[in-house]
Amino acid sequence: GAVVSQHPSRVICKSGTSVKIECRSLDFQATTMFWYRQFPKKSLMLMATSNEGSKATYEQGVEKDKFLINHASLTLSTLTVTSAHPEDSSFYICSAKEPGGGGYTFGSGTRLTVV
Amino acid sequence: AQSVTQPDIHITVSEGASLELRCNYSYGATPYLFWYVQSPGQGLQLLLKYFSGDTLVQGIKGFEAEFKRSQSSFNLRKPSVHWSDAAEYFCAVGAPNQAGTALIFGKGTTLSVSS
Repeated sequence: GAVVSQHPSRVICKSGTSVKIECRSLDFQATTMFWYRQFPKKSLMLMATSNEGSKATYEQGVEKDKFLINHASLTLSTLTVTSAHPEDSSFYICSAKEPGGGGYTFGSGTRLTVV
Repeated sequence: AQSVTQPDIHITVSEGASLELRCNYSYGATPYLFWYVQSPGQGLQLLLKYFSGDTLVQGIKGFEAEFKRSQSSFNLRKPSVHWSDAAEYFCAVGAPNQAGTALIFGKGTTLSVSS
């Protein structure tokens, strides 16, 4: 089946630095990928929809200058958390719609801790 | 707008007892419906999904869900709960045949299993 690989699984960074999270579709082409954020003991909140070759569409309330999304190829979308602060600490998950059907496949998530 | 409601934030069930987790959705047509499970610190695992056809859907780990159009519901059931079922459960809704539409998640139900 369709597989999405997300890397890194865990990252700790210092406040003020930037962190890049990668999401790759391994055996299919994903023109669209989705980025979610999950706070502890909370649901998954859609942050943005990443479109290959064009600008991402951000959900209301998500700072596009802080959460930079790049979808430069049909198999790779990246989320860069810029000038990270402790409040950006969270679990980030990417997703893509499975080809040929209605299902969705998810990455294994990235636990970001900003110290 | 699409939305998903999981009325129960936390449910405790005795091991061996039956389980039902509720999910109601709001959508203009029949959406694609999903149930996911998440263990602490882990990613999402798909339990089952409904696209069309038979309204009773069988999933993994002995779970099943029933789509009821008249009630806009997609409740998850299991006849006998095991201690390993303790986790967070998310109901989600997706748009059929729209590649650029993300899954929208409910707030989740935490399942605890008592011995």
